[in-house]
Amino acid sequence: EVKLQQSGDELVRPGASVKMSCKASGYTFTDYAMHWVKQSPGQGLEWIGTIIPLIDTTSYNQKFKGKATLTADKSSNTAYMELSRLTSEDSAVYYCARSYYGYNWLDYWGQGVMVTVSS
Amino acid sequence: DIQMTQSPASLSASLGETVTIECRASEDIYSNLAWYQQKPGNSPQLLIYDANSLADGVPSRFSGSGSGTQYSLKINSLQSEDVASYFCQQYNNYPTFGSGTKLEIK
Repeated sequence: EVKLQQSGDELVRPGASVKMSCKASGYTFTDYAMHWVKQSPGQGLEWIGTIIPLIDTTSYNQKFKGKATLTADKSSNTAYMELSRLTSEDSAVYYCARSYYGYNWLDYWGQGVMVTVSS
Repeated sequence: DIQMTQSPASLSASLGETVTIECRASEDIYSNLAWYQQKPGNSPQLLIYDANSLADGVPSRFSGSGSGTQYSLKINSLQSEDVASYFCQQYNNYPTFGSGTKLEIK
């Protein structure tokens, strides 16, 4: 069974950073790309970027360049996203989701991480 | 950016009815379109990809159609478990999503 298990919800201070994880199981981690998607009430769903773990290649939505950093650890089948210099605009639910290479529909999603930025 | 305009924003229908949700792209996306269902408190789930291909395990009452810039999702014989929000997503360029349609039972 394919599963993407994300880390827990976060409460962070403005200006701080947060790093969240997405542990994949039930499939070969390096056969798929991993995407990250932001969901907020005001902006709906926004694609942040994707990483191809096999070759450690990343691609970002221009809007999130400098805000998000995507990495992956092939040894533990885990993808990570770090968000930096957090503001209230970054408060949202963040999902990881996988796609097969070159086919950017998202067939499995993690349960989401709620990030709340507040002092 | 390719903009996805989704309509209606909300929809109320009776059990057994057929409903249609539409998405219009700001340019031709060559059927590179997916539809997702998101139930309250849950993650989105893939329903349709490549505009009209049913994802594994999705009931056949869901169907997708369209081409060019105009696409639609049809739900036949509406069931209570179909209460959810529905989103379209294009992947002809870097992915962008429609704003969603909230479906309720009348």
